[in-house]
Amino acid sequence: NAGVMQNPRHLVRRRGQEARLRCSPVKGHSHVYWYRQLPEEGLKFMVYLQKENIIDESGMPKERFSAEFPKEGPSILRIQQVVRGDSAAYFCASSQDRGYSPLHFGNGTRLTVT
Amino acid sequence: QKEVEQNSGPLSVPEGAIASLNCTYSDRGSQSFFWYRQYSGKSPELIMFIYSNGDKEDGRFTAQLNKASQYVSLLIRDSQPSDSATYLCAVISPGNQFYFGTGTSLTVIP
Repeated sequence: NAGVMQNPRHLVRRRGQEARLRCSPVKGHSHVYWYRQLPEEGLKFMVYLQKENIIDESGMPKERFSAEFPKEGPSILRIQQVVRGDSAAYFCASSQDRGYSPLHFGNGTRLTVT
Repeated sequence: QKEVEQNSGPLSVPEGAIASLNCTYSDRGSQSFFWYRQYSGKSPELIMFIYSNGDKEDGRFTAQLNKASQYVSLLIRDSQPSDSATYLCAVISPGNQFYFGTGTSLTVIP
């Protein structure tokens, strides 16, 4: 069984460009979470989605950031007009159900803004 | 008060010793508890989960849960240098939110 697949692994963007991060959950998982991690810091929750629905986006900045999980295809985290402070590792995780099952993490996307 | 608190360490133990990692959580109604290991530059990897009070053993790892005291611990027996990593405690709250602690850095000294 394939685990959580994230791409790209590394992404370099210039300030002002857009970054698109993709995440395909474990087959059969309908719950997707996005986290951001700065070097030497903990995981910071950004957003929780189910198919076609944003359930909790309390950790995501109101501006420039958006996320979706369409009926078909991967979940997308989109960062518009990136700034240097957006440089971080972005992890996607999926679970089979909410409230009980553990999260399974992808390998992450390392975003560098130059 | 943070939902999940861990001592950030660093914790150093000699090879072969027992490493003890602790975590407390704030919401008494939480039901599901997890330990993840994260190597530098890598993604978190699930190593243990526990739902009931008491101990749960898996190889060299033992998770301990005490709901009355609201703490979860992870014991690593016969610690190896390859166990050197950051260990993240995670809790699912009654509101079905998944909360992570900031992690404890463990170094096993050969």
